[in-house]
Amino acid sequence: AQKVTQAQTEISVVEKEDVTLDCVYETRDTTYYLFWYKQPPSGELVFLIRRNSFDEQNEISGRYSWNFQKSTSSFNFTITASQVVDSAVYFCALSEAGAGGTSYGKLTFGQGTILTVHP
Amino acid sequence: EPEVTQTPSHQVTQMGQEVILRCVPISNHLYFYWYRQILGQKVEFLVSFYNNEISEKSEIFDDQFSVERPDGSNFTLKIRSTKLEDSAMYFCASSVRGQYDEQYFGPGTRLTVT
Repeated sequence: AQKVTQAQTEISVVEKEDVTLDCVYETRDTTYYLFWYKQPPSGELVFLIRRNSFDEQNEISGRYSWNFQKSTSSFNFTITASQVVDSAVYFCALSEAGAGGTSYGKLTFGQGTILTVHP
Repeated sequence: EPEVTQTPSHQVTQMGQEVILRCVPISNHLYFYWYRQILGQKVEFLVSFYNNEISEKSEIFDDQFSVERPDGSNFTLKIRSTKLEDSAMYFCASSVRGQYDEQYFGPGTRLTVT
């Protein structure tokens, strides 16, 4: 069964600090997909990134970067030079391919990390 | 930019009543999903829908729940007889190629059962 753990319930930082959000996952599948979503105070879920299990290259997009390590089953998210607008709940999620690729994309979410960036 | 839309944004209903939550997925997407988020908790998968039928459902999605794509654009979630514990934010999502793509979420419908 798939599981996602985000051990950090809440993180509080001051603007311009770097912050890393941890995500650890469990799956028996060899093919799977990992995601990060942002939920700002307005409540919607905003897609940030998707990685497949065969691509361990780290990714950088502006102030955001992601570190995927299969050896430790982790997919961590770093925000560099945080800003007040980064304040949100961040969810890590996992989707398994299923036997013979039978999955239809069901997402299993972690509990989320509440990030507060103070001015 | 195309987006998933949901109506209503907030629905208040009495226990035992039927509710229908409506979603319009992104037009070229083929896979549709419902998730729910009880206040302060994680987002939970309810059901996925592809090719006009349910492809996967969770244990939460019992006989009280049903989904339908009544026409080429709408995707609905019906709860037949609401319970207090059905109070949650319900999110609709869609994707082009199911597991091979990211899902885009609507803004959610907050359901309050009194």
